[in-house]
Amino acid sequence: AQTVTQSQPEMSVQEAETVTLSCTYDTSESDYYLFWYKQPPSRQMILVIRQEAYKQQNATENRFSVNFQKAAKSFSLKISDSQLGDAAMYFCAYRSLNNAGNMLTFGGGTRLMVKP
Amino acid sequence: KAGVTQTPRYLIKTRGQQVTLSCSPISGHRSVSWYQQTPGQGLQFLFEYFSETQRNKGNFPGRFSGRQFSNSRSEMNVSTLELGDSALYLCASSLPGPIIGYTFGSGTRLTVV
Repeated sequence: AQTVTQSQPEMSVQEAETVTLSCTYDTSESDYYLFWYKQPPSRQMILVIRQEAYKQQNATENRFSVNFQKAAKSFSLKISDSQLGDAAMYFCAYRSLNNAGNMLTFGGGTRLMVKP
Repeated sequence: KAGVTQTPRYLIKTRGQQVTLSCSPISGHRSVSWYQQTPGQGLQFLFEYFSETQRNKGNFPGRFSGRQFSNSRSEMNVSTLELGDSALYLCASSLPGPIIGYTFGSGTRLTVV
């Protein structure tokens, strides 16, 4: 079974600065997807960014980018120019492609605080 | 376009009762997955339904069950509620096919007293 670990329960960043959230995972599979989700107090999980394991190029979405190291099984999220609205819980998630179904395995989450 | 709708938003039940939660996916999405979120266990996969059939199931007792209707709406049921069932229950819908993407609802907060 796959496991996802987020070693930073809480992180803090100054507005306009850059912060990196860590995620490592354990799998014996070669094909999979990785995700970062944001959960604000409204509770809805919002997709931040997605990475296909077969792609060597790191995914980027505006101020959000990832550092995907497949051999090291590491998938960190970098948030540039942090904004107050970025404050939320962030979850790293894994989705196998060996299974026809949809099932996400989540890490324990990192609470990001943004200081004005 | 409407998002994933979960009802009710909040629910308080007594230990031993049963509860039914509802999830209406985005139009065209045929897969609905359910997750339990608690402070202690984090986010855990409950089950997934696709075209009215359960396709995957997580490691939860048989008190947790679900179903999906022909319009893709899904319900999950928890019987004989325990205090430990208090949690945020999230559902996510997704399109069929190779595009991997999930849209989550805002969840149902269940409190068992």
